[in-house]
Amino acid sequence: AQTVTQSQPEMSVQEAETVTLSCTYDTSESDYYLFWYKQPPSRQMILVIRQEAYKQQNATENRFSVNFQKAAKSFSLKISDSQLGDAAMYFCASSRAGSYQLTFGKGTKLSVIP
Amino acid sequence: DAGVIQSPRHEVTEMGQEVTLRCKPISGHNSLFWYRQTMMRGLELLIYFNNNVPIDDSGMPEDRFSAKMPNASFSTLKIQPSEPRDSAVYFCASSLPQGAGQPQHFGDGTRLSIL
Repeated sequence: AQTVTQSQPEMSVQEAETVTLSCTYDTSESDYYLFWYKQPPSRQMILVIRQEAYKQQNATENRFSVNFQKAAKSFSLKISDSQLGDAAMYFCASSRAGSYQLTFGKGTKLSVIP
Repeated sequence: DAGVIQSPRHEVTEMGQEVTLRCKPISGHNSLFWYRQTMMRGLELLIYFNNNVPIDDSGMPEDRFSAKMPNASFSTLKIQPSEPRDSAVYFCASSLPQGAGQPQHFGDGTRLSIL
């Protein structure tokens, strides 16, 4: 079974600054996928970024990037030039290749200070 | 492109009543998921459909819950009779065929309150 741990229940960042959200996971699989989802107060779950475990290159999407450390089973999300609209719950998730199961962490609530 | 569409967005009803939540997946997606989100338990997978067929309903809490997918563009989650502990946000998600880490795309959710 896969487990996903987000050790920071809450974080805050000054507007325009950079923040990193932590995520660690545990899996015995060699082929799997990792995701970050954003849930703003409007409650919609929005896919932020996706990483394929067999790719060493870290995924990036505009101001969002990941630091994927496969050996350490770490998958942190970096948000650069933070904006007020980035305030949300962020969920880390994993799935093994060939499986529909998506395992979520408990989430990190990010506040952006103007 | 239209995303996953859920209705209603909010539902408030008295315990004992029947509740029906609706979902329209993204066109072309053949995998559909129903989740429940609460503060205590986080996101829980209730049921997974593939090509309109229920594959895994092990997350459905009890017989009061049922889900159907009569065609590729529509699914319902029904609670009968409803209880206050069913109060939660219910999400529907869809994806392309699983197997290559296809991301799940979520709807806006239905906030259900059972009084």
